[in-house]
Amino acid sequence: NAGVTQTPKFRVLKTGQSMTLLCAQDMNHEYMYWYRQDPGMGLRLIHYSVGEGTTAKGEVPDGYNVSRLKKQNFLLGLESAAPSQTSVYFCASSRTAAYEQYFGPGTRLTVT
Amino acid sequence: AQKITQTQPGMFVQEKEAVTLDCTYDTSDPSYGLFWYKQPSSGEMIFLIYQGSYDQQNATEGRYSLNFQKARKSANLVISASQLGDSAMYFCAMRGPGGTSYGKLTFGQGTILTVHP
Repeated sequence: NAGVTQTPKFRVLKTGQSMTLLCAQDMNHEYMYWYRQDPGMGLRLIHYSVGEGTTAKGEVPDGYNVSRLKKQNFLLGLESAAPSQTSVYFCASSRTAAYEQYFGPGTRLTVT
Repeated sequence: AQKITQTQPGMFVQEKEAVTLDCTYDTSDPSYGLFWYKQPSSGEMIFLIYQGSYDQQNATEGRYSLNFQKARKSANLVISASQLGDSAMYFCAMRGPGGTSYGKLTFGQGTILTVHP
């Protein structure tokens, strides 16, 4: 079992460029989440999904879009990157809302 | 709204000693869950321990225990017999009611623990 994987691990973007972060889990989990972690801060929820084909906004959704076309994948898109989106992005999944979340290794994104 | 507060930016402990990392929370929901995660310098998030608001006993997982004081709204993590590998950032997090929160976690700002040999 690979658990939760994230692609890519690192990325540098110029302001205005777009990109997609891929999260994949092989645990057959229903729930998936995208968080961002800024220096000296805890994680903040961007978007989440409670099952295939569903998505919902979290605490800091502006500037991001998500899709969950397959149960095992959760994509995070940045349409027009801004320096304020420089952060470490974590994907997580859980069996149900009541269980602990398992996190991916993170993607370090720098927007210049 | 839910809020998690970790008031200790950094903590130091001697190897083999016990250490307590503080976490207080604020919520108006009677049903909630409290989690602790460890983030080593390598960056991954590792689940340590969970306490449900209706659990009668404090949670324990090996050297980790959660000192849950519901009336004081605190959920402190106790690490016994500290090891050098315990040096990391530790996050307290809270989940709201299972039926309506969809498992969303609210995180504290974290405490950096340094274990000295």
